[in-house]
Formats: sequence, structure tokens, C-alpha cells
Amino acid sequence: SAVISQKPSRDICQRGTSLTIQCQVDSQVTMMFWYRQQPGQSLTLIATANQGSEATYESGFVIDKFPISRPNLTFSTLTVSNMSPEDSSIYLCSVELGGRGGPSTWQFFGPGTRLTVL
Amino acid sequence: DAKTTQPPSMDCAEGRAANLPCNHSTISGNEYVYWYRQIHSQGPQYIIHGLKNNETNEMASLIITEDRKSSTLILPHATLRDTAVYYCIVRVGLPYGQNFVFGPGTRLSVLP
Repeated sequence: SAVISQKPSRDICQRGTSLTIQCQVDSQVTMMFWYRQQPGQSLTLIATANQGSEATYESGFVIDKFPISRPNLTFSTLTVSNMSPEDSSIYLCSVELGGRGGPSTWQFFGPGTRLTVL
Repeated sequence: DAKTTQPPSMDCAEGRAANLPCNHSTISGNEYVYWYRQIHSQGPQYIIHGLKNNETNEMASLIITEDRKSSTLILPHATLRDTAVYYCIVRVGLPYGQNFVFGPGTRLSVLP
């Protein structure tokens, strides 16, 4: 397992502003992921973040709206830019675990950041 | 789109076994079955995963049919704290970075 922390745990923001969410892991990991969970919905992958390379975004998500940084193997940030009420969601980071000669990997999730945009 | 189908909700009496079914009729030979749960909008919690053999850990057991088209997650003695949304996901085990596609899941309510 891994210990993952996210900051802030929750925030209330005004329309048009930006918020940067931090994700910190207690061990070095190659791949980190950012998900969004809109109210009453399931999780949707925003992007995959590898250290040392640009993030890979899923369809419907763009870098200008959700810029991501991955400066080292234990840390990543997701910025929600120019926010609107439709951005109100829980944002979660996750890391890939396992592998290392084993047959499979799995993802371990952080506690999430609950964002409300007024 | 999610490759699995699950019942939207289930009830289980506290102390009894909770059996959560999942259909994945289009599963590929290199895809694993993963189970996660999400308690009250916390981050999803990994439970268990398997390829074709039955698996057991301290949280649950995973039973995969011989044709691998369906599986059952078993919580042997459900408690009120097991009330959550349970997600069944199929995905390749390796290489790194394959997307987990979450469907709507099964909302399990454990009743006193």
C-alpha cells in the first residue's frame, strides 16, 4: 500500500478563480493519475502524469483547463483553472502499485479534494 | 465505457455474508478483475483482484467463474462499516498505466 495525502481536503472557490491541488505520496512511484468525481457520479480519469514528461489527458480534458505538474517521483499537482460551478467535484489522485516482477499492478487512491465553485 | 455490469444496489444483514456479483462477458485473456469500494465519497479503497483463480485476502474473497465471464466478491461477515459503493473493473494487469474505468457500481447497504 501507500500513504497518499491531498491538500486541500476541501475548498469553496469563486467562479473565475483557479485552485491548485497537491498530491503527496510516501514512496517513489512512476505513474500518478488524476480523477474527477462529479456529484452522484462515478470516477472519470482526467490525466496520467509521469515524472519527467508531460501529462497525458483523456478525451474531454485539456491542459489549459487542468494543468498538471509532476516535479518528482513523490509529488504532483493538478490546477483547476478559470473555475465554473460545473467544476464542483471531488478530485482524486492515485498511484500505480505492484508490478516489479509480479504479474499485475493496481491503483491506490488518495482521500480526495472536495471542490465547490460558487 | 465500463466493461462490467453490476446490480445498482443490494442489502445485506449485518454479520451475514455479502455476495456482490459482476458480469464481464467480454473480458480478454490478459485482463484482471479488480474490486474497489468507496465509502461516503472518500477515495476508492482497493479490495482485491484476480485473473482466473479464486483469491482471498483479509478483506474479502473473489470467486471467478471458470469461463471468466462473471465473478463474485464475498465479504464473509458484513459489518455496518462495509456500507459503500462497490466497483468491479476489468483491466490488464500490466504494463503500467492502463486506465481504470469505473462504472456506476453496486451500492451495498448493510442493515443492523
